[in-house]
Amino acid sequence: SQTIHQWPATLVQPVGSPLSLECTVEGTSNPNLYWYRQAAGRGLQLLFYSIGIDQISSEVPQNLSASRPQDRQFILSSKKLLLSDSGFYLCAWRQGGHSPLHFGNGTRLTVT
Amino acid sequence: KQEVTQIPAALSVPEGENLVLNCSFTDSAIYNLQWFRQDPGKGLTSLLLIQSSQREQTSGRLNASLDKSSGRSTLYIAASQPGDSATYLCAVRPGETSGSRLTFGEGTQLTVNP
Repeated sequence: SQTIHQWPATLVQPVGSPLSLECTVEGTSNPNLYWYRQAAGRGLQLLFYSIGIDQISSEVPQNLSASRPQDRQFILSSKKLLLSDSGFYLCAWRQGGHSPLHFGNGTRLTVT
Repeated sequence: KQEVTQIPAALSVPEGENLVLNCSFTDSAIYNLQWFRQDPGKGLTSLLLIQSSQREQTSGRLNASLDKSSGRSTLYIAASQPGDSATYLCAVRPGETSGSRLTFGEGTQLTVNP
């Protein structure tokens, strides 16, 4: 069966520091991968999605970036965090066609 | 632009009650619709996915229906239990392409009281 791992679960970082959140999927190949952010009371915002290695689309211009160094690995990064980057970050994956979207357990990021 | 609305935002019921959660969307040209539950501080768990050609899907005590023409979906929970307490979100997918992005509702926060 397929599983998705996301880490760390919580993170507290000072403003201006770098960020790296990792997500891996097991038990499948060539998944579509997604990064979402969920801010309190504001719903889910799609940040990046990837349909293959080195194929990443950005949905929202900001100081975040994403990379997919391996087929089942998706990384969310920032060179300098802003206070507004605080939130709950969720990685998700799915296969093609009508397959459902599956989420990781999320990372709670607090920028201080 | 697709908009997804879930009403009510919060619902509190006694244990054992059957209940219906509502999801409405403005553009009926959807590919599929998916229901999720989210426990506090956790990720989203997929509950049911309904393809645009389907009318309903069932899993255990859960039944989701879809009426594309009216832009509505309902999630029926039978014999509710305290463990059903969570936020329930629906999301619609507009197309078949890999980059087709889901539009999420804001969710209904359900509390089942013992």
